[in-house]
Formats: sequence, structure tokens, C-alpha cells
Amino acid sequence: DAKTTQPNSMESNEEEPVHLPCNHSTISGTDYIHWYRQLPSQGPEYVIHGLTSNVNNRMASLAIAEDRKSSTLILHRATLRDAAVYYCILNAGGTSYGKLTFGQGTILTVHP
Amino acid sequence: EPEVTQTPSHQVTQMGQEVILRCVPISNHLYFYWYRQILGQKVEFLVSFYNNEISEKSEIFDDQFSVERPDGSNFTLKIRSTKLEDSAMYFCASKKDREFIGYTFGSGTRLTVV
Repeated sequence: DAKTTQPNSMESNEEEPVHLPCNHSTISGTDYIHWYRQLPSQGPEYVIHGLTSNVNNRMASLAIAEDRKSSTLILHRATLRDAAVYYCILNAGGTSYGKLTFGQGTILTVHP
Repeated sequence: EPEVTQTPSHQVTQMGQEVILRCVPISNHLYFYWYRQILGQKVEFLVSFYNNEISEKSEIFDDQFSVERPDGSNFTLKIRSTKLEDSAMYFCASKKDREFIGYTFGSGTRLTVV
């Protein structure tokens, strides 16, 4: 699986936007970019995914660089409940049974 | 919102004993998975299951592990003879079909081997 690189940790204040970066310079043309998050004592939770175009859903936005070698997960207004580990994962969607390979992720701390 | 349900939430077992971890995936999902997370470490893939057979497994998933879908709703992970190093959170996950990307994970079973 292609590798992703994320900062170990980031901090934000409540109600401010958060931009979580991810580098994936070895991404292949069929790799989807997924974001999952893991709240304390919970299983991972799907956040968003994309292939080439920017994506929005009720949880977040995903901005994908034109060359697809990096992406940014955007939380528009962080809340205390957004404090979690955020994982950026590449997966060849639609061509495999979809095993996810998790890295260490980014620990997001949200201050009141 | 539909959920993946795992039971028990916490299981303590003695080394060498067999354990069965249970999961009820979302009812219209077709692909099922087990992952584990040792305390302080990454979430690791164990096995994927589709059409009543294993579709992929990791090196961790050795002969001590087995999975089963005994009926239309349950999906189980059995560890035949537990070792201390099997202590971890075990997460069950499911997804609807091959094209849909988003998994739904359960809240996990914390397995403690003593």
C-alpha cells in the first residue's frame, strides 16, 4: 500500500477551522484518499474520501492537490468532540476487498 | 444510524483458553473485517470475509485465529489458544459493497489475556 505522512499532533481552539495535512507522494492513479478518525476508546469512524476532486460532507471537507500528492482534511469549526486521532489512508477502492492500512495518524487536540 | 455491534465490550481470559468475539454487522452489508489495536499502537488489519469465505488475511492471522458467519447476522472471531500478546482491542467492521469506500466500525472488544 502507498504510504502517507501526517504530523504527529496538531492543536486547535474550539470554533476555529482546522486543516489537517497529509502527504502521499507515491499515490497511484487508482488510489482513493480516505480519512478516518478515532475518538478516545472508540473504533475508527469514516470521515470522508475522494479521488481527484475536492469533496464536502456534513462532517468535513477534503481538499486534494492537483497532482494528488497531498491532501488536506478541513474541519470548518472544531468542537471539543472533534478531538481524536485522524488517519489519512490510501486504498485502491473498487479493485480490492478494501483492506485499510492505518498509520499513526495525527492527534488533534481542541482547546476550549 | 445503523451500527456495528460488538460483544462483549471487555473480556478477560486466561492464557491458553479459547475466546470468541462476536459482532453483528449492519444488515445489508456484504464485506466483513476484523482489526486489532494493541494499546498505544496502530490499528492493524487481521482478516476480510466475503461470500462466506476469507478474502484476505494478514500475517497476524495465523492458525490460532478463525472467523465464521454462523447465521445471517453474526460474524465471529475465534482465538483458539490465547497468548499474552493477543491482549488488544478487537474491532469488527463492515461495508456495503465493493465500490462503497466507507467502512463502519464497531466500538470494539477489549481482550485481556492474563
